[in-house]
Amino acid sequence: EAGVAQSPRYKIIEKRQSVAFWCNPISGHATLYWYQQILGQGPKLLIQFQNNGVVDDSQLPKDRFSAERLKGVDSTLKIQPAKLEDSAVYLCASSLQGASYNSPLHFGNGTRLTVT
Amino acid sequence: GQQVMQIPQYQHVQEGEDFTTYCNSSTTLSNIQWYKQRPGGHPVFLIQLVKSGEVKKQKRLTFQFGEAKKNSSLHITATQTTDVGTYFCAGRAGGTSYGKLTFGQGTILTVHP
Repeated sequence: EAGVAQSPRYKIIEKRQSVAFWCNPISGHATLYWYQQILGQGPKLLIQFQNNGVVDDSQLPKDRFSAERLKGVDSTLKIQPAKLEDSAVYLCASSLQGASYNSPLHFGNGTRLTVT
Repeated sequence: GQQVMQIPQYQHVQEGEDFTTYCNSSTTLSNIQWYKQRPGGHPVFLIQLVKSGEVKKQKRLTFQFGEAKKNSSLHITATQTTDVGTYFCAGRAGGTSYGKLTFGQGTILTVHP
């Protein structure tokens, strides 16, 4: 099966600029996650979608981050305006949550964001 | 909120030596998953433990889930250079079908040939 697709692979922006990331999950996967991974740390959940509804966004900095999953498939994550501390790898993952809440996560290759 | 801690942060071993990483949660978990991330790569699922006291093996890897479902360990016997990477545990909070999966900070394993 095709894996989780993410783009772009790398992005360099200046602080206060905006940026958007795109994710296409594995076909049929109901749950989609956006994680932020700062260098040397574990992935931190930003937002979790079940189909096109949000089930957890408690750690999403809502004053600058937004995410949507239209039609329950693709998703975009936006940062506006970016801060230096947003420099990280943004990982998208999907899982067959509809079948079992024990489903493993399948990660994409991530987008490495550098804010200067 | 839920916290998942992993120790050690780093482990350097000679090829052939054993390796163990430990994971502890501040709250009781419904299940725990383990992932491996190679340098420059993304986390890849290894295994999931669900039952109290569960032990699972994958070739040279042994995974354990504590009796209280608050801790877990991963043990690698006779490490190889292909084992290099960061090992993460991820605990899922109990109670709901959509419980958040919280990752530990990972243990970085270096294997010297």
